[in-house]
Amino acid sequence: DAGVTQSPTHLIKTRGQQVTLRCSPKSGHDTVSWYQQALGQGPQFIFQYYEEEERQRGNFPDRFSGHQFPNYSSELNVNALLLGDSALYLCASSGPGLAPSGEFFGPGTRLTVL
Amino acid sequence: QQQVKQSPQSLIVQKGGISIINCAYENTAFDYFPWYQQFPGKGPALLIAIRPDVSEKKEGRFTISFNKSAKQFSLHIMDSQPGDSATYFCAASKVGNNDMRFGAGTRLTVKP
Repeated sequence: DAGVTQSPTHLIKTRGQQVTLRCSPKSGHDTVSWYQQALGQGPQFIFQYYEEEERQRGNFPDRFSGHQFPNYSSELNVNALLLGDSALYLCASSGPGLAPSGEFFGPGTRLTVL
Repeated sequence: QQQVKQSPQSLIVQKGGISIINCAYENTAFDYFPWYQQFPGKGPALLIAIRPDVSEKKEGRFTISFNKSAKQFSLHIMDSQPGDSATYFCAASKVGNNDMRFGAGTRLTVKP
């Protein structure tokens, strides 16, 4: 079992660009949550996807959007990138069904916005 | 946004010693309190978690102590080893609500 996988590992973008990050959940999990972890801080909840729908959202602007596919994998999209969006983006999977969101985290995607 | 306060920010312990990290929460609706271990370049890994119906939970060298009335919980690492050197995060959430709130982290260094 590969656990939670994320791609790419690192990404460099410039202000105003758009970015898409990808996540494949651990085998048997059907729920995917996304977190943003700024340097030296704890992760902050962005949103959670279950049954291809956004079930819950944290305090993030609409520039952050997502999608879940029928195979449970997920994408995080960020539009109009700001310097402050530079962070480690973590995906966590859980399930099946309702379960605390933070059981298994992926290694993250390091996004740098210049 | 932060509803979980974690201390200390950094901690240095000698090999074989006890590492203690403390957290305090504000929201009395929280009913799930996990601890995570994160190594550089890796995502957080769930270490141990507790529900408020018990005051202590032990798994190997790791113990969570929970004080519901004080809204505080702590992680104790017994017989600390250099391999335990990592950043530790406490978190809190309400079962069914997946907006997990994390503390700011404690960087633990265990000296040989």
